[in-house]
Amino acid sequence: NAGVTQTPKFQVLKTGQSMTLQCAQDMNHNSMYWYRQDPGMGLRLIYYSASEGTTDKGEVPNGYNVSRLNKREFSLRLESAAPSQTSVYFCASSEDAGSTLHFGNGTRLTVT
Amino acid sequence: ILNVEQSPQSLHVQEGDSTNFTCSFPSSNFYALHWYRWETAKSPEALFVMTLNGDEKKKGRISATLNTKEGYSYLYIKGSQPEDSATYLCAFWGYGSARQLTFGSGTQLTVLP
Repeated sequence: NAGVTQTPKFQVLKTGQSMTLQCAQDMNHNSMYWYRQDPGMGLRLIYYSASEGTTDKGEVPNGYNVSRLNKREFSLRLESAAPSQTSVYFCASSEDAGSTLHFGNGTRLTVT
Repeated sequence: ILNVEQSPQSLHVQEGDSTNFTCSFPSSNFYALHWYRWETAKSPEALFVMTLNGDEKKKGRISATLNTKEGYSYLYIKGSQPEDSATYLCAFWGYGSARQLTFGSGTQLTVLP
């Protein structure tokens, strides 16, 4: 049972490059989330999708876009990467908004 | 931006000690309070989801209480073991404009053998 799968695990980008972080869950969950984790700042919500077809901004959405491709998949796109986006990114899903989050293993992104 | 605060930021205890930490959150628009355990190099794992004022939850040596009227939750660990070493995160889910899961910055617990 895979749970929440994120790819890639590691990525190095140059400033200005673009990339998409992929996330898929096999638990038939309705809600999906993207968080970033920076030292001393805990997990900060970038975007979330309460259900298929909806997306909402979180605390730190600037510089990111998301797509809820279907119920399983929720991708995060950086159109023009900046050093401030160096972070560890976690995707998560939950059965419904407010219920227990199940996390992926994280993507460590470095922007030089 | 919602204010979810955890204290202390870090804690070192000896094996066998009991310990507790605090999560404070907005007392209005409350829907749920989550606790997660996050070991180094792993992903956060859920401990408890608490929704009712006065709720008490227990899982082995770990327990949690909830006071939604005053906006705080305590996490207790009885007889700490080295394997309890982790960062413990709380997260607040609210109604309306607070309808997103906001995490505190965590309490990093180190249990010394």
